[in-house]
Amino acid sequence: NAGVMQNPRHLVRRRGQEARLRCSPMKGHSHVYWYRQLPEEGLKFMVYLQKENIIDESGMPKERFSAEFPKEGPSILRIQQVVRGDSAAYFCASSLTGVAGAEAFFGQGTRLTVV
Amino acid sequence: DQQVKQNSPSLSVQEGRISILNCDYTNSMFDYFLWYKKYPAEGPTFLISISSIKDKNEDGRFTVFLNKSAKHLSLHIVPSQPGDSAVYFCAARGNRDDKIIFGKGTRLHILP
Repeated sequence: NAGVMQNPRHLVRRRGQEARLRCSPMKGHSHVYWYRQLPEEGLKFMVYLQKENIIDESGMPKERFSAEFPKEGPSILRIQQVVRGDSAAYFCASSLTGVAGAEAFFGQGTRLTVV
Repeated sequence: DQQVKQNSPSLSVQEGRISILNCDYTNSMFDYFLWYKKYPAEGPTFLISISSIKDKNEDGRFTVFLNKSAKHLSLHIVPSQPGDSAVYFCAARGNRDDKIIFGKGTRLHILP
């Protein structure tokens, strides 16, 4: 049973380009979370999705950022018109259910560098 | 406003001794707490958790203690081993569908 798979592992984008980060949850998991880690910072919550629904996007910037988790296929975190400040490690996690008691399992992250 | 706080950015402990990592939280609606361990260039891995109805949970060398009245939890690692050197994140979530909120992490160094 494969773990949470994120790709690409490393992504370099020029300012103004779009970045697409993919996350395939563990088999059977229908809850996906995206987190961002800036250098020397903790994991900042961005968005929580269930299949085809955004449950909580309170941590996601209102502009340029969007996320989806379609019925088929991976969850996508999309950043339009990237800026240098978007450079960070982006982690995806999945869990079996969303209720307390279900730990989330993380992928290895995508390291985005904006040049 | 940080709801989960890890006030010690780093901690150094002699191999074989006990490592104690502390965490405070402000939201009394949290009812499940988790600890994750993270190595460089890897994703966090789940370590141990505790429900708010308990005050202690033990798994091998790892024990988590919860003091609800003080809104404080701690992770004890005994005996500490070189492979324990990593960043440890404290995390919390509420009941029902809710996100997991993380602290900023504590970097643990196990000294030979």
